[in-house]
Amino acid sequence: EDKVVQSPLSLVVHEGDTVTLNCSYEVTNFRSLLWYKQEKKAPTFLFMLTSSGIEKKSGRLSSILDKKELFSILNITATQTGDSAVYLCAVGRGSQGNLIFGKGTKLSVKP
Amino acid sequence: NAGVTQTPKFRVLKTGQSMTLLCAQDMNHEYMYWYRQDPGMGLRLIHYSVGEGTTAKGEVPDGYNVSRLKKQNFLLGLESAAPSQTSVYFCASRIGFGTASYEQYFGPGTRLTVT
Repeated sequence: EDKVVQSPLSLVVHEGDTVTLNCSYEVTNFRSLLWYKQEKKAPTFLFMLTSSGIEKKSGRLSSILDKKELFSILNITATQTGDSAVYLCAVGRGSQGNLIFGKGTKLSVKP
Repeated sequence: NAGVTQTPKFRVLKTGQSMTLLCAQDMNHEYMYWYRQDPGMGLRLIHYSVGEGTTAKGEVPDGYNVSRLKKQNFLLGLESAAPSQTSVYFCASRIGFGTASYEQYFGPGTRLTVT
């Protein structure tokens, strides 16, 4: 059975800390791995990764995929209170690219 | 350009009642999806559509029906609501074939409570 596992499930840090969120997967017919940020409402897209070893970067956030070891990490440097959210990892699979989601990591950044 | 919109935003139903959730997108996307999100469970796919007039089952389709009569709209129906269907429902859309992007755009969600 396909699955996506995120760790940790929750994390509390202080402003300025650097955090690493993990996502491992066992999915047949892998197409892509996506990261979303969810702040109480709709998930918003952060990154899509399809190739191993190529880092995607946006400001203080970055992500990389390892297709051999079947995992991805999301790094956030110099965290701010506005980074507090649930971060969702999803894997696109099959000919239609349907997403299977992990349970999310709840990040709380304290001032 | 409103993106993906959902109506209603909130709804309370009694067990056995029926209702329809409406999702609309103005991005000319081919693919549309309905998910439910429960505490500690992540997002789970209920049904999806790869184009106007098509529908398919996702991971948790029981108790739900869908229709896609127009490309821009995707309706989710509950014929006889049960307390287990208390959840937050998200609609999403994606460009579709002819692209390598798997990014889905989400609506704001509908919070449904069944008593």
